[in-house]
Amino acid sequence: EVQLVESGGGLVKPGGSLRLSCAASGFTFSSYSMNWVRQAPGKGLEWVSSISSSSSYIYYADSVKGRFTISRDNAKNSLYLQMNSLRAEDTAVYYCARERENGDYDYWGQGTLVTVSS
Amino acid sequence: SYVLTQPPSVSVAPGKTARITCGGNNIGSKSVHWYQQKPGQAPVLVIYYDSDRPSGIPERFSGSNSGNTATLTISRVEAGDEADYYCQVWDSSSDHQVFGGGTKLTVL
Repeated sequence: EVQLVESGGGLVKPGGSLRLSCAASGFTFSSYSMNWVRQAPGKGLEWVSSISSSSSYIYYADSVKGRFTISRDNAKNSLYLQMNSLRAEDTAVYYCARERENGDYDYWGQGTLVTVSS
Repeated sequence: SYVLTQPPSVSVAPGKTARITCGGNNIGSKSVHWYQQKPGQAPVLVIYYDSDRPSGIPERFSGSNSGNTATLTISRVEAGDEADYYCQVWDSSSDHQVFGGGTKLTVL
């Protein structure tokens, strides 16, 4: 059974940093691109970042470029999101999602809440 | 950047057909994917590659894509279909994934 479990969310002050993790199991992690998608309270889905299977290709939404860094450790079946210079508008539930070759997301984690507030 | 436009809300009576649109410039040239999200839950893929259904998704869910509009159609709507629905594409010109703003489906 495919499982994606996010962790690392919490309350952080504006300007602070946080590192999210996503532990994957039930599939060959190293064969898939992985993504972070977020959802602000009461709002829609917003793509944040994606990383290819071997980390060769990395993309960011304009809203986080230069502040967030996506990475993965295929030996540990884990995906990460390092978030620096956090802003109030980064407050959201952050989901990790498995991306297929079609470009769709067939599996999602349950999400982890990040709250940026003083 | 590429923009996907969805109606904020669609209402339908049980047993009827709901159609949720997703507009984008020449979206017919892209692969469109659809997600269902119920309150407090992660999104679930219901249609991929314009019109394919993942295993476990009822045949009542179908999709089409042509010109500047993609459409998610839900036939014989049930109370359990009430949810938010999002379309999504990969924009190769910007190397960005793009989501529509979402449509809240209300079953009357």
